[in-house]
Formats: sequence, C-alpha cells, structure tokens
Amino acid sequence: GAVVSQHPSRVICKSGTSVKIECRSLDFQATTMFWYRQFPKKSLMLMATSNEGSKATYEQGVEKDKFLINHASLTLSTLTVTSAHPEDSSFYICSARGGRYQETQYFGPGTRLLVL
Amino acid sequence: GNSVTQMEGPVTLSEEAFLTINCTYTATGYPSLFWYVQYPGEGLQLLLKATKADDKGSNKGFEATYRKETTSFHLEKGSVQVSDSAVYFCALDSNTGNQFYFGTGTSLTVIP
Repeated sequence: GAVVSQHPSRVICKSGTSVKIECRSLDFQATTMFWYRQFPKKSLMLMATSNEGSKATYEQGVEKDKFLINHASLTLSTLTVTSAHPEDSSFYICSARGGRYQETQYFGPGTRLLVL
Repeated sequence: GNSVTQMEGPVTLSEEAFLTINCTYTATGYPSLFWYVQYPGEGLQLLLKATKADDKGSNKGFEATYRKETTSFHLEKGSVQVSDSAVYFCALDSNTGNQFYFGTGTSLTVIP
C-alpha cells in the first residue's frame, strides 16, 4: 500500500528558531498533500492543503506566514514553522493522496515538535 | 455539512471483553468511512475502512459496518487484548473534495 514518511520524527528547538518538517510519499506521486496538527488528547485539525506546484490553501485561523508550506515536487512537501514559540509545540501529521492512491489520504507517522 | 461524532472516552476494559466504540456521521453525498488507531507516541494507522453502504470493514479482529440508515460506523471487537490499548479515531472522507473529517478520538485501555 501507499507509504508516507515524515522527517524528523521528533525535534526540539529553541524559541525563535525555525523548524522544517518533511513529508514524502515513497511509492506514489502525491498530487495533494495535507498538514494536520494534533493537540494533546485532541483530534486532528487540518491546517492546510497543498497541490503540487501551487500555493497551499490554509484553513481558517492558521497563520500562513507562521506555517510555510511548500509542495515543490510530487513526492515531497515541507512544513516550516517559522520563529517557533512554545505554543507551537504539537504533533504534526501529514497525509497524501494521488496517482494510483486517489481514493483516500494516507498518513505519515507524525513529527513531534517541542519548542523550549 | 460533514461531521463525525464519536463516543467520548476514556474506555477501560478487561482483557477478552467485548468492545464497542460508537461513531455516527453527517454527510452530503456518498462518503467513505474509516477507523484509525494511534498508539502512544505514534502516528495514525489505518485500521479499517468501508466505501459504501452495507460494506463491512475488518482487520485484526476489529470490524465496523457502514450503516446508511442509522448514519453509523461503530467499531467492534469480540475480545480485546492489552495490545489494543490506543486511541481510536473515526473519520469520514466526503469524496467531494479533499476534506477529511475526524472524530475526537476514543482512548481505550485494556487491563490484564
């Protein structure tokens, strides 16, 4: 089946620094990738949807300048948390669909971000 | 609109007990329905899915039937194990766009 990876799986950074999280579709071309955020003991919140080669579409309340999303190729999307603060600490999960895996989204394992 | 309502947890069961986690949905059109499982510190794993009414998804002893008449997709397992302890999410794909809708998750703890 479709495999989606994320890197890093866990990152700790200082407040004010930027952190980049990668999401890769390993065995299919992901025309669309999604970024979710999960707060402790809460469900997933869709942050943005990105189509390859286009600007991401952000959900209401998500700061575009804070969470930069790039989907430059059919197998890679990146989420950059700029000038991170402790309140940005969370579990970030990407998902992808495309190619022969159009029928649903396939989720990555998630990245845990801790901002000190 | 589309939404998923899931029974609140946490749920605590003894090993070999019967499990039911209720999930109901509202949707326009013909959605696909999913159950995902999240083990501590890990990402989501697809547990099972059903793409049309009356379909039954099953995996690892878990099963759920897509009931259009009751707009439900309840998760069941006949005999839970300690290793089933996790958070379970019911989800809906509207199939009309890119939006995935998740329930709030139900935490299950199975005690020996």
